Amino acid sequence: DVKVTQSSRYLVKRTGEKVFLECVQDMDHENMFWYRQDPGLGLRLIYFSYDVKMKEKGDIPEGYSVSREKKERFSLILESASTNQTSMYLCASDTDRDRNRGQPAYNEQFFGPGTRLTVL
Amino acid sequence: GESVGLHLPTLSVQEGDNSIINCAYSNSASDYFIWYKQESGKGPQFIIDIRSNMDKRQGQRVTVLLNKTVKHLSLQIAATQPGDSAVYFCAENTRPYGNNRLAFGKGNQVVVIP
Repeated sequence: DVKVTQSSRYLVKRTGEKVFLECVQDMDHENMFWYRQDPGLGLRLIYFSYDVKMKEKGDIPEGYSVSREKKERFSLILESASTNQTSMYLCASDTDRDRNRGQPAYNEQFFGPGTRLTVL
Repeated sequence: GESVGLHLPTLSVQEGDNSIINCAYSNSASDYFIWYKQESGKGPQFIIDIRSNMDKRQGQRVTVLLNKTVKHLSLQIAATQPGDSAVYFCAENTRPYGNNRLAFGKGNQVVVIP
């Protein structure tokens, strides 16, 4: 059974704290993603990584950073948490392994259970 | 905690009836589409996908229809069950020749009435 796991289901932090959200996948996927999900706004991409030590900004990277030191692990870091970062955070992964050069990829993303972060 | 289902369009359906959930996508270059289901307190789960060279694909109790002319996607659930109550998202792959990037719809809440 393929799995994406996140280190915490619920987290409560104070404004100004440094927060680490960890994500691990056991599918040997190249690509990993961090989203936040807010009512009425849907899923918004924060950062993604397509290889170890590689990262690319998503649509809303401000206030966040990421780390990908190992293929299976992708960390989201809030350097100084603020109340507007209270949200549900979702990690996902997928693979390009089935894609031949020059051919498009048709791959679903597998999601973790989410971390509900509250910043007070 | 606050549910992802708040502020979403809601479809209420009687148990046993068929459900149809609609989604408009934005990018005419997208060539791959996915439907996800998200139950309360859980991450999204894959339901079914379709490539742009198809206009219909069937799974177990689910059918996805793709109309590229009007950039519209729909998910049909046959004989809806209480376990189908969830938020349903469509997603499109906006970078088919680059690193995968999915763009997600805001979702539709489905409530099954027993």
